[in-house]
Amino acid sequence: DQQVKQNSPSLSVQEGRISILNCDYTNSMFDYFLWYKKYPAEGPTFLISISSIKDKNEDGRFTVFLNKSAKHLSLHIVPSQPGDSAVYFCAASNTGNQFYFGTGTSLTVIP
Amino acid sequence: DAGVIQSPRHEVTEMGQEVTLRCKPISGHDYLFWYRQTMMRGLELLIYFNNNVPIDDSGMPEDRFSAKMPNASFSTLKIQPSEPRDSAVYFCASSLPGSTEAFFGQGTRLTVV
Repeated sequence: DQQVKQNSPSLSVQEGRISILNCDYTNSMFDYFLWYKKYPAEGPTFLISISSIKDKNEDGRFTVFLNKSAKHLSLHIVPSQPGDSAVYFCAASNTGNQFYFGTGTSLTVIP
Repeated sequence: DAGVIQSPRHEVTEMGQEVTLRCKPISGHDYLFWYRQTMMRGLELLIYFNNNVPIDDSGMPEDRFSAKMPNASFSTLKIQPSEPRDSAVYFCASSLPGSTEAFFGQGTRLTVV
């Protein structure tokens, strides 16, 4: 059973606008959440993370929001750039080393 | 460090054949993970090792799948016999103890015909 879900397989956004990628999880024991970015023919690379003791973490154009009561997190990219076009995976962990990934959302930023 | 190295990058094999995927983790990383990426299930964790010891193999789909880590610098994922539904991209990743960031290899795209 999928413990981490990304219900939007794809998203298209105009360059300069905000991209919002969503992720839901079912296991309340998860205490660390990550976003990975994946380009074609490459492995996923770490983008940003958040601990369950926080509700927001920001790194440049990327911000992750965590809503523990709703078991929901989101990744905001603003402003979006064409180079951000990739597949984004949400991941969660409750042991610090075992990660559960979602199915990914393919983001296309239109110039 | 060159990062996590996987081989081969692409593998095409006939149903029933044995397939072996290889991984060299980043030096000093004590954790090694094998993932499978499919459209339907995204990135599924198959098995992970800590200090060469398998910790959790509950994600391994069937007995046809096996993984070994004979030393800190090498791991294999074997499928015997292979089936068309095993076609996917298989990723190896490694991480430091206590780290929440895993570093992925470029993956092996497996096609079973």
